[in-house]
Amino acid sequence: ETGVTQTPRHLVMGMTNKKSLKCEQHLGHNAMYWYKQSAKKPLELMFVYNFKEQTENNSVPSRFSPECPNSSHLFLHLHTLQPEDSALYLCASSQDWGGTEAFFGQGTRLTVV
Amino acid sequence: KQEVTQIPAALSVPEGENLVLNCSFTDSAIYNLQWFRQDPGKGLTSLLLIQSSQREQTSGRLNASLDKSSGRSTLYIAASQPGDSATYLCAVSGSARQLTFGSGTQLTVLP
Repeated sequence: ETGVTQTPRHLVMGMTNKKSLKCEQHLGHNAMYWYKQSAKKPLELMFVYNFKEQTENNSVPSRFSPECPNSSHLFLHLHTLQPEDSALYLCASSQDWGGTEAFFGQGTRLTVV
Repeated sequence: KQEVTQIPAALSVPEGENLVLNCSFTDSAIYNLQWFRQDPGKGLTSLLLIQSSQREQTSGRLNASLDKSSGRSTLYIAASQPGDSATYLCAVSGSARQLTFGSGTQLTVLP
């Protein structure tokens, strides 16, 4: 049990579908993050939420829409994705934004067909 | 812009050997450096966190050092075991308060 739980673990979706990824952390942390990990590339930060407020959006296309209803839950809403969006999407949390140890979930393996 | 480089990209060693993984970063103004382990298709497991004021951290057979002025960190693994086979990632948290990751070192420990 890592303390950060992501669902689903695997997702296959068509380019016209709408789906959502869910992340939940049980660590009492204030900051949550979405990362994208593509084959042969370093992890890329997508979004940062600190105390439920979005603080970073690293030029992510609007077909990815994050939502943070409270400090324990983070969603990534997906719509009209492209095949190149297929990747491992990782959620992480830390006590504070940027300066403390980050803990990651197991990821959602997304395949866009 | 912070850049993180990990060398080597891949490493294969026989069981029992001691080994060193290297990480370098371009901007020395960091808050901390974190080493992670990633098994195939899985998430990241935090191994060690070194604050910018620290020189090293130890956990079991793992020892991580940090030389902030030269922009370098090493992860030392003692008496390697096949279960240590994984990809090891280095990440730094800097002034932008973002974790910047290296591309990782894929380690294989042969029985």
